[in-house]
Formats: sequence, structure tokens, C-alpha cells
Amino acid sequence: DSGVTQTPKHLITATGQRVTLRCSPRSGDLSVYWYQQSLDQGLQFLIQYYNGEERAKGNILERFSAQQFPDLHSELNLSSLELGDSALYFCASSVHLTSEDEQYFGPGTRLTVT
Amino acid sequence: AQRVTQPEKLLSVFKGAPVELKCNYSYSGSPELFWYVQYSRQRLQLLLRHISRESIKGFTADLNKGETSFHLKKPFAQEEDSAMYYCAPIPPRCLMKTSYDKVIFGPGTSLSVIP
Repeated sequence: DSGVTQTPKHLITATGQRVTLRCSPRSGDLSVYWYQQSLDQGLQFLIQYYNGEERAKGNILERFSAQQFPDLHSELNLSSLELGDSALYFCASSVHLTSEDEQYFGPGTRLTVT
Repeated sequence: AQRVTQPEKLLSVFKGAPVELKCNYSYSGSPELFWYVQYSRQRLQLLLRHISRESIKGFTADLNKGETSFHLKKPFAQEEDSAMYYCAPIPPRCLMKTSYDKVIFGPGTSLSVIP
């Protein structure tokens, strides 16, 4: 167990809907990363927050947004969902901003858009 | 632009045979290099990092700056090594200030060790 928790575990929703995925980092970790893992795209970095501020952006669509709250938990909001958004969404946390630090991954949220 | 490639999507080897998982990267600067592993039904987890110069579960990774490669090797593959392996060059901390410095994981190589 990495200490990183994600809810919900599974989510099934329809196209056009909006969902929120939640991540609680390890105690003491200030950095949170979000990733999307799909069969055809592999693991894609979406966005990183550090101590409440956005620090790096990857291949995140404009329909997606995220934030990190004062208690350091983070939420990933996905709106106007499309079939292609079906994937496993991981969050990871680390102590510092990067780079020597290991990232600890959560179990993921499996999103299915029908 | 930063880029990392793992040319083999799927790699099958027999138990006891040597295994090499390739990783090539293009990066402006000197990233820190990691290998992450995802066993079946488990979380993604760190396998090893270049900065530590360590050997984990018999795996080592050699950084070749000239070829910009960070291949993962193990002399004798075991069945429990079957998993998905991701190479990840991470930007140095001092450069993580712009949106250009993205965290990038390679597409992954699925290793299957045949008994």
C-alpha cells in the first residue's frame, strides 16, 4: 500500500456528463500528479500540483481541470465526457516538486464512458 | 520537445534468459531517469532510479548519455518479472518551472517471462 488513496474505484457514466475524481496523497507529500492510462496511449501525464499551485501541464484536454486544496488532496474534473475518455486515471504523490523523489501511485479510478 | 521511446511494446523471453528493455529519450538538459513497474493488478511502483546506482530484484539500468538511452537489464529473467515496465525521464527540479518541462513516461513494454 503506497498510502495514496483514490475514489471512486470505478465510475460508469454517459457521454456528455461531468465527473470528479478524488486523490489523497501520502501524508507529508506536497506534490500530486495525475495520469491517464489507456490501452492505446499508454501512461500519459496530465498535470501536476505542488502545495496548491499548478506546476506542470502535460497532455490535458481543455475539458479537464484539476485543483489541489489546502489539505493537499486533489480533484480531477472531467467534463463533456466522450467515449475516448474511458481509461484508468492514476494520481501519484511525492514529497517535493520533483525530480529525485519517487512518485507513489494510487490504485487508480477506472472510468467507463458509455 | 521532450520525448521518450520504448521500442518494444511486448517482449517475451524464457525463464533464465537475459532480458533487456530498451529506453531512449530526447531531452533538453539532464533529466533524472527512473524505471517504474506495474505487476498484474497492482499499482505502478518505482523499480529503480539512476541517481541511486542501485540494483533492484536483479535489474540494473545503464545510462548512456551519448546515445541518450537508459536500458533496463537483468541477466536471468524470472517468471515473477512478468509485468509492464515504464521508463520515465523526469525534469530536474530546477527546471520544473515552465509548462514545457513535462513529466513523461514512456509507452511501456510488457514483459512476459515464459516458464
